[in-house]
Amino acid sequence: EIVLTQSPGTLSLSPGERATLSCRASQSVDNSVAWYQHKPGQAPRLLISGASSRITDIPDRFSGSGSGTDFTLTISRLEPEDFAVYYCQQYRNTPRTFGQGTKVEIK
Amino acid sequence: QVQLQESGPGLVKPSETLSLTCAVSGGSLSGNHWTWIRQPPGKGLEWVGYIYYTGTADYNPSLNGRVSISLDMSRNEFSLHVTSMAAADTAVYYCAIGSGRLQFWGQGILVTVSS
Repeated sequence: EIVLTQSPGTLSLSPGERATLSCRASQSVDNSVAWYQHKPGQAPRLLISGASSRITDIPDRFSGSGSGTDFTLTISRLEPEDFAVYYCQQYRNTPRTFGQGTKVEIK
Repeated sequence: QVQLQESGPGLVKPSETLSLTCAVSGGSLSGNHWTWIRQPPGKGLEWVGYIYYTGTADYNPSLNGRVSISLDMSRNEFSLHVTSMAAADTAVYYCAIGSGRLQFWGQGILVTVSS
């Protein structure tokens, strides 16, 4: 099973600041990584697939990068609605696996 | 846009079998993979398994063979069955479309295992 490790566990930032979230895989997953935003009581929302392809209707302040084992989700300027938990997921192999999540909270 | 809605019991007794259904609207089961994911309280997301519209399925080995997913093409629904439920299976269960990236999800249903 491929283990995804996200860091940091919690990111405390102010609106307007830049957020950089990391996801490291225990073995290469090529570019088969997706990023999701998850708010309490809601369904997770797909932001990025293929490590760097932004999904339709996702604001361009969200960007993804990386390949192999190291991936990054960047939110260029945090808006109030961006404070949430973010998960990376690999779909190179089964079982599909998720990182443990990074919580982006208001400082 | 595809919409998904989970339904089923919110409370299950230990050792019982959980059966959940995901109703799909705005799209057909044909041509797609259909996935179940769960999230225990206070924890992260766990992939449970998926089924292709042909009936081929793949499951998370961590569930030790207790899981099966089935399709009902006539009702445009798919279902999750988990046997021998235990407290550790308490979670919000989500259904979603896709086998890799999961673009559309249901709102989730909380299933509590308790006597």
